[in-house]
Amino acid sequence: DVKVTQSSRYLVKRTGEKVFLECVQDMDHENMFWYRQDPGLGLRLIYFSYDVKMKEKGDIPEGYSVSREKKERFSLILESASTNQTSMYLCASSLTGRFEQYFGPGTRLTVT
Amino acid sequence: GDSVTQMEGPVTLSEEAFLTINCTYTATGYPSLFWYVQYPGEGLQLLLKATKADDKGSNKGFEATYRKETTSFHLEKGSVQVSDSAVYFCALSPDYKLSFGAGTTVTVRA
Repeated sequence: DVKVTQSSRYLVKRTGEKVFLECVQDMDHENMFWYRQDPGLGLRLIYFSYDVKMKEKGDIPEGYSVSREKKERFSLILESASTNQTSMYLCASSLTGRFEQYFGPGTRLTVT
Repeated sequence: GDSVTQMEGPVTLSEEAFLTINCTYTATGYPSLFWYVQYPGEGLQLLLKATKADDKGSNKGFEATYRKETTSFHLEKGSVQVSDSAVYFCALSPDYKLSFGAGTTVTVRA
């Protein structure tokens, strides 16, 4: 079974802090994704990566950056956290040529 | 751009009732269509998929048929259980990216 793990289930940070969210997948997938999930809005794509060191902006990249130094790991960085970034963050991965994505359990981030 | 519209919830049902969640899409090409489910406290899981017109996806008693003529992919289950309580997301994928609907919360009462 594909396993996607995220570093924290719950995180509380203060406004202005730099926040790192880590995601690791164990199935050698080329593609990795970061989404945020908000009630009534579904999932919105923040960034995705199709290879090591490669990244593309999704629909809502403002205020976020990403890093992919190894194939299995994809990090989401909030350079200066703000209260409007309080949300559920979901990581996913997929194989090139296959459209199904496999999701981690999510990190619920609260910025106070 | 490509988008998905699904019926708003929440939906509350009794056990053994029939469930339908409507989903319609807008796409320029012929995307693959998916239903994902999110159980409380968990990430999303793929429930079923269909990759071309008239395909029927099925899993765990749920079914959905890819209808190109009505641009729809409605989810159905004939007899729901309490364990089906979850948030259901319709999604489409013209390539390797997914576009999600807003999600429908379903609660099944014993």
